[in-house]
Amino acid sequence: NAGVTQTPKFRVLKTGQSMTLLCAQDMNHEYMYWYRQDPGMGLRLIHYSVGEGTTAKGEVPDGYNVSRLKKQNFLLGLESAAPSQTSVYFCASQQATGGNEQYFGPGTRLTVT
Amino acid sequence: EDQVTQSPEALRLQEGESSSLNCSYTVSGLRGLFWYRQDPGKGPEFLFTLYSAGEEKEKERLKATLTKKESFLHITAPKPEDSATYLCAVQEWGTYKYIFGTGTRLKVLA
Repeated sequence: NAGVTQTPKFRVLKTGQSMTLLCAQDMNHEYMYWYRQDPGMGLRLIHYSVGEGTTAKGEVPDGYNVSRLKKQNFLLGLESAAPSQTSVYFCASQQATGGNEQYFGPGTRLTVT
Repeated sequence: EDQVTQSPEALRLQEGESSSLNCSYTVSGLRGLFWYRQDPGKGPEFLFTLYSAGEEKEKERLKATLTKKESFLHITAPKPEDSATYLCAVQEWGTYKYIFGTGTRLKVLA
């Protein structure tokens, strides 16, 4: 099992450019999450999904869009990148029943210049 | 407002010097409290889930405990490889979301 994987690992964008971050999990988990991590602010939830075809806003959703077309994949899009979106992005997944722990991917480090 | 506060922000220990990290929380109804370890440049790694006051979990040199207001992560006789940032998170009943603290950066010196 690869667990949770994220693509790409690093990316540099210019202000106004767009990109999509891909998260994939092979654990058949129902729930998936996108977080950003900034120094001194901890992990903040951007968007999440409780099942294929469903998404919901988290704490800091502005400037981001998501899609969950397949159960194993959760995509995070930046339509027009801004320097304030420079951060490390983590994806996580969680099973619907049993333990409530989330399992995290290795992260994507994004710099917007 | 739901909140998670971790202390101290940073901690330096000598190898073998036991200590505790604190996670205090306010939430309407606690579904679970979670501890994670995060190494530099990596994603958080799950350690423990605690569900109710009085519960304890252990793994190697780590022991997590829970009261109605806070959780402690006790580190007994730490080794340099225990150096990492330790994150605490809570989940409230009726939500799918975690609320994370900002973490404690632990450095264990040989």
